[in-house]
Amino acid sequence: NAGVTQTPKFRVLKTGQSMTLLCAQDMNHEYMYWYRQDPGMGLRLIHYSVGEGTTAKGEVPDGYNVSRLKKQNFLLGLESAAPSQTSVYFCASSFGGGSYNEQFFGPGTRLTVL
Amino acid sequence: SQQGEEDPQALSIQEGENATMNCSYKTSINNLQWYRQNSGRGLVHLILIRSNEREKHSGRLRVTLDTSKKSSSLLITASRAADTASYFCVIEDSNYQLIWGAGTKLIIKP
Repeated sequence: NAGVTQTPKFRVLKTGQSMTLLCAQDMNHEYMYWYRQDPGMGLRLIHYSVGEGTTAKGEVPDGYNVSRLKKQNFLLGLESAAPSQTSVYFCASSFGGGSYNEQFFGPGTRLTVL
Repeated sequence: SQQGEEDPQALSIQEGENATMNCSYKTSINNLQWYRQNSGRGLVHLILIRSNEREKHSGRLRVTLDTSKKSSSLLITASRAADTASYFCVIEDSNYQLIWGAGTKLIIKP
């Protein structure tokens, strides 16, 4: 099992460009999450999904959109990138919520917006 | 802010010593988790403790939870070089939102 994979691993964008980050999991997890981590800080939740076809806003959703068309995939989109979105992005999945929300993480995507 | 806050921000100890990290929070929680992050293995779940539990063990890890004081502690016994990492507490609040602290950076000196 590959667990949670993310593509790409690195990306440099210019202000105003768009891109999509792909997250895939092969553990049949219901819940998936997108986080960002800035230097010296913990993770902040951008959006999450509790099942195929569902999405919900997290702590810092502005400037991002997500889609969960297939259970195993969770896409994060930046429509018009800004320098403030320079960060490391982590995707995670879990079996469920509550006591079942042990999260499994991907390796991260380092995004720089110039 | 509902964010969990770890204390200390950084901790440096000799290999073989015990390391204790604390987490405080401000809201009611369903559960609290601890994660480890290092460059080699990325982000890894360590342990989850429910709001009705007071203590849990996993190998060299011991977690306590005091809901009356809104605090938790993570004890790593007999530390090893491989324990060098950042440790984060994550609370799930009553609205099922997951909130991460800023982390404690632990360095184990040989």
